[in-house]
Amino acid sequence: EVQLLESGGDLVRPEGSLGLSCAASGFTFNSYAMSWVRQAPGKGLEWVSTISASGGTTYYADSVKGRFTISRDNSKNTFYLQMSTLTAEDTAVYFCAKGLPITRPYYFDCWGQGTLVTVSS
Amino acid sequence: EIVLTQSPATLSLSPGERATLSCRASESVSSYLAWYQQKPGQAPRLLIYDASNRATGIPARFSGSGSGTDFTLTISSLEPEDFAVYYCQQRRNWPRGLTFGGGTKVEI
Repeated sequence: EVQLLESGGDLVRPEGSLGLSCAASGFTFNSYAMSWVRQAPGKGLEWVSTISASGGTTYYADSVKGRFTISRDNSKNTFYLQMSTLTAEDTAVYFCAKGLPITRPYYFDCWGQGTLVTVSS
Repeated sequence: EIVLTQSPATLSLSPGERATLSCRASESVSSYLAWYQQKPGQAPRLLIYDASNRATGIPARFSGSGSGTDFTLTISSLEPEDFAVYYCQQRRNWPRGLTFGGGTKVEI
């Protein structure tokens, strides 16, 4: 069974930093692009970032570019999101998600349960 | 940025009825559109990709259609477990970005 498990969500002060992790199991992790998608409280979905299967290519939404860094460790079946210079607008549930096979990494067929990041003083 | 507008915002129906959800793009996204279902407190679930392809394990009562700027998700006969929020998502300008629509809530 494909499973994704996020961790790391927390309360953080504005301008602070936080790192999220997503542990994957049940599939060949190093064959799939992986992504982060967030959802502010009571709002819709917003794509945040994607990393290629090898980790060699990364993509970011304009809203987080320069502040967030996505990475992965294929030996640990885990990928990460390092967030810095956080603002209240980054408050959201962060979901990790698995892309469809190679040619469609931008559609997400498996999601974690989400981890809440709250940015507040 | 391509904007996706979903309508209606809320759809009030009964089990057994047909649901028709709309997603309109601000410019053509070809067939690069997906639909997701999200229930309260849960992660989204992929239903349809590339406008009309059902994802693995999705019941046949869910179908997608459209191309260009106008897309439709149809649920042929609502089951109790189908009451949820539905989002469309486009990837026309990948890797320059992905966007989601604002969602349609299907309620009893």
